[in-house]
Amino acid sequence: EAGVAQSPRYKIIEKRQSVAFWCNPISGHATLYWYQQILGQGPKLLIQFQNNGVVDDSQLPKDRFSAERLKGVDSTLKIQPAKLEDSAVYLCASTPGRGSYEQYFGPGTRLTVT
Amino acid sequence: SQQGEEDPQALSIQEGENATMNCSYKTSINNLQWYRQNSGRGLVHLILIRSNEREKHSGRLRVTLDTSKKSSSLLITASRAADTASYFCATGGYNQGGKLIFGQGTELSVKP
Repeated sequence: EAGVAQSPRYKIIEKRQSVAFWCNPISGHATLYWYQQILGQGPKLLIQFQNNGVVDDSQLPKDRFSAERLKGVDSTLKIQPAKLEDSAVYLCASTPGRGSYEQYFGPGTRLTVT
Repeated sequence: SQQGEEDPQALSIQEGENATMNCSYKTSINNLQWYRQNSGRGLVHLILIRSNEREKHSGRLRVTLDTSKKSSSLLITASRAADTASYFCATGGYNQGGKLIFGQGTELSVKP
């Protein structure tokens, strides 16, 4: 079974530029999560999708971050414009749902904003 | 917001020794999970314990849960150099759609 795929693996941009990350969850997984992990901290949930609907985006900075999962499969997370404090690893995870709580994580995208 | 507080923040042991990490949380939970993260990689699920369970084993891992104290511990027995990683506890609440809140993590170093 293929795991969660993410791209790119690394990205370096200047502040005020925009950036997009892509995630393809495990086939058949209904629930998809985006996390932000700042160096030395645990992952923080940004947004949760159930199929193509948003379940929780309470911690997503909506003035600059946006995310979509149009067909209920892969997802993109965008930052526009980026700030220095957005430097972090962005992790995507998925679960089958239906009472299964274990999350499967992708390798992450390491973003550096200069 | 971070729910879990992990202790210690860093732990260094010799191969063959046991490693114990602790996690405390604040609100009621449906389940508590432990994840491992190797440097620069994604997280890997290790074990899940439900709120009505007190202890669970998986290979060299033993997890305990004390809901009255809102705390959990992860014990890794007979550690190996390959166990070197960061370990995170994560709590799942009721009616949260599977959402997890992660702690700050414990950085474990196992020296050969």
